[in-house]
Amino acid sequence: EAGVTQFPSHSVIEKGQTVTLRCDPISGHDNLYWYRRVMGKEIKFLLHFVKESKQDESGMPNNRFLAERTGGTYSTLKVQPAELEDSGVYFCASSQDPGEGITQYFGPGTRLLVL
Amino acid sequence: AQSVTQLDSHVSVSEGTPVLLRCNYSSSYSPSLFWYVQHPNKGLQLLLKYTSAATLVKGINGFEAEFKKSETSFHLTKPSAHMSDAAEYFCVVSGNTGFQKLVFGTGTRLLVSP
Repeated sequence: EAGVTQFPSHSVIEKGQTVTLRCDPISGHDNLYWYRRVMGKEIKFLLHFVKESKQDESGMPNNRFLAERTGGTYSTLKVQPAELEDSGVYFCASSQDPGEGITQYFGPGTRLLVL
Repeated sequence: AQSVTQLDSHVSVSEGTPVLLRCNYSSSYSPSLFWYVQHPNKGLQLLLKYTSAATLVKGINGFEAEFKKSETSFHLTKPSAHMSDAAEYFCVVSGNTGFQKLVFGTGTRLLVSP
């Protein structure tokens, strides 16, 4: 069974540009999560999809970030325009069910560097 | 709100010696706790999890952790370190908003010397 995949693995862009990150969850997983780790900080939750609906987007830092999950399959996270402080590693995770104690399976992350 | 504190940013051990990575949690109710590991240039991998069943939890690669409510701790241990254990380890608690949100500690980098 394929795990969570993320594309690209690395992205280097200039301040003010747009970047779109993609996440493909494990097949059959309705729940999809985005997290990020900025330099020197802990990994923080961004948002949670259940199928195509945003269940919780309390961690989204500002309106420069837009997440979508068309058709309840893969998800994209767009940053527009990118700022220096957006640099970090963006992780995607998925789970079959929501709820306490349910394992979230993580992808390898996308390393974003904004210059 | 849920939180976890990893008491050491770096831990250095010699191969074949025991490993202890410390984690304390804060929660207003009985939490679910996890340990994840990240090897260089790899994704986060679940080592083990506690979900209010047995307090001693066994995970992959010989790791285990003990949930101690009285001490609000969930320390990760391994009897004998291997070179391949060198990685960053994260203690994680389920958030209290519908439980889906994971709250991460700051991570402990384990260094293993020959």
